[in-house]
Amino acid sequence: GAGVSQSPRYKVAKRGQDVALRCDPISGHVSLFWYQQALGQGPEFLTYFQNEAQLDKSGLPSDRFFAERPEGSVSTLKIQRTQQEDSAVYLCASSLQIRGGRNTEAFFGQGTRLTVV
Amino acid sequence: GNSVTQMEGPVTLSEEAFLTINCTYTATGYPSLFWYVQYPGEGLQLLLKATKADDKGSNKGFEATYRKETTSFHLEKGSVQVSDSAVYFCARLNAGGTSYGKLTFGQGTILTVHP
Repeated sequence: GAGVSQSPRYKVAKRGQDVALRCDPISGHVSLFWYQQALGQGPEFLTYFQNEAQLDKSGLPSDRFFAERPEGSVSTLKIQRTQQEDSAVYLCASSLQIRGGRNTEAFFGQGTRLTVV
Repeated sequence: GNSVTQMEGPVTLSEEAFLTINCTYTATGYPSLFWYVQYPGEGLQLLLKATKADDKGSNKGFEATYRKETTSFHLEKGSVQVSDSAVYFCARLNAGGTSYGKLTFGQGTILTVHP
């Protein structure tokens, strides 16, 4: 596609509900990142995929957060039993990986704004 | 660890004023440095970047110079426009290991330009 696409754009969840956020990266981009952006803050790293392999999940705040990218393209971030502190914008970014394993510029989607009530 | 610190905002300027937004980073390794911009209702966009010491990134009249001696990457523009109103994020690229390409962001600076 032309850019990174995320859906839904907005999600309101009742506390305790499970949610799933989708990211469609730019076609051919090997690397995919999820970030969490709380209100008034900069994005914070959650997890990183290289193709279908999740190489770093050190930023996931709890075991209620789970991400997958089973075919190395579309990725889903799942949050179980949502809490109010999960309210944030969730950003997805993708980039090409070139010779030597270096990543080129990261392109960001518009994000999903999650509000837990 | 790796961190980025931006000047506190918000910043309010009149059109054609000079802009500086300060950014400093922790000196771990030799990171690449970036400025991203987030216009109202839009996603993060790369504004400019610099990959090594003394490099100057520039785009749309904005400039930033990678200063290793002061671990800084301050954003400047000589004459701002109303259309520059947005949130600006400084970021460093963490190199090496399995997180190659992971960005660490500053907290963001809100810029409002009045006519």
